[in-house]
Amino acid sequence: GAVVSQHPSRVICKSGTSVKIECRSLDFQATTMFWYRQFPKQSLMLMATSNEGSKATYEQGVEKDKFLINHASLTLSTLTVTSAHPEDSSFYICSARDRRDISGNTIYFGEGSWLTVV
Amino acid sequence: SQELEQSPQSLIVQEGKNLTINCTSSKTLYGLYWYKQKYGEGLIFLMMLQKGGEEKSHEKITAKLDEKKQQSSLHITASQPSHAGIYLCGAAELIPDKLIFGTGTRLQVFP
Repeated sequence: GAVVSQHPSRVICKSGTSVKIECRSLDFQATTMFWYRQFPKQSLMLMATSNEGSKATYEQGVEKDKFLINHASLTLSTLTVTSAHPEDSSFYICSARDRRDISGNTIYFGEGSWLTVV
Repeated sequence: SQELEQSPQSLIVQEGKNLTINCTSSKTLYGLYWYKQKYGEGLIFLMMLQKGGEEKSHEKITAKLDEKKQQSSLHITASQPSHAGIYLCGAAELIPDKLIFGTGTRLQVFP
């Protein structure tokens, strides 16, 4: 079946450095990819929506210069956390809308990425 | 912007009991998704509802969408420890294109 791959699944970085998380649709092309952040014991918070070849649409309160999203192709979107700080430590998860489904209802999720900033 | 409220926030039930989780939207829903998650892991797709009054079942889980398409419920019959986790309802919007989630319901099932 369709799979969305996130990489890395876990990453530890030093405060002040940048870290990139990839979201890749393995056997389908994605019209849209969504990036979420999840805090402990909380739901998924939508950070931004990205479409191939265009700028991402960020949700209110999400710093676009802090969380850089690049959607280079129909199968790959990346989230770069720039100048990371310990408060950026979190679980990040992406999802992708399958363009084969014209209703737009088919959305697959990655397994998520744990970011720890020390 | 659309908001999704889930209730209850958490639920602790004895194995074998039935339970219901509710999801209420501030706007008419275009599509309503139900997922299950263990915190820090990926989401498991349960069901997607789109039509007013629609009801779907899978094994012991039934989800309904009301006629007005602003409220959905997820019902688990004869709960088991394997049902434990976080249940999330998600609402799809077309314009702007986004998928947002409800506040989540943490379910614990004890033997």
